[in-house]
Amino acid sequence: AQSVTQLGSHVSVSEGALVLLRCNYSSSVPPYLFWYVQYPNQGLQLLLKYTTGATLVKGINGFEAEFKKSETSFHLTKPSAHMSDAAEYFCARGQAGTALIFGKGTTLSVSS
Amino acid sequence: DGGITQSPKYLFRKEGQNVTLSCEQNLNHDAMYWYRQDPGQGLRLIYYSQIVNDFQKGDIAEGYSVSREKKESFPLTVTSAQKNPTAFYLCASSAIRILSNQPQHFGDGTRLSIL
Repeated sequence: AQSVTQLGSHVSVSEGALVLLRCNYSSSVPPYLFWYVQYPNQGLQLLLKYTTGATLVKGINGFEAEFKKSETSFHLTKPSAHMSDAAEYFCARGQAGTALIFGKGTTLSVSS
Repeated sequence: DGGITQSPKYLFRKEGQNVTLSCEQNLNHDAMYWYRQDPGQGLRLIYYSQIVNDFQKGDIAEGYSVSREKKESFPLTVTSAQKNPTAFYLCASSAIRILSNQPQHFGDGTRLSIL
């Protein structure tokens, strides 16, 4: 079955440090990939998506992700963390005929 | 502004009671979804619907029921058969009948607890 794996259920960084959240997918066919952010007691908000074309995708709030077919990865990065980035992040992939498949999520903590 | 409205935000269920969670969207989206979220388990799909009067079971449909009588609305009923209903429930929609490149848009969720 096709799946999405997020490495690390919890990532902690200092304010101003690089944010790196890891996502790997399983598939023999290049997938469509998404990153979402969830703040406490809220729904999910789309950060960015990869469908076709450029493999480096820029999203909202200064986040970006790079699709690497050779590594089956779609890691999310931000050069400099801000306190407001503290949230839970979900990687997801599209699958024909059904709903998105989500990873289990990574909680990002940012300390001052 | 267009969006997805879930109500109520908090809901309490007594033993043996059925409860219904509301989900309304004004995005003119064809597809709608219900997810259950538990800590550390990500999002698990309960039901989804691609068009009016049609819906399919997801991974954890037992103890839940849905209807899709209108394009804008996709209510979820948590029945008494669902023995562990305490969770955060999220409704989502996407623009076109499910295509793998379509993002989903989410409501703000309903938190259901047992009394």
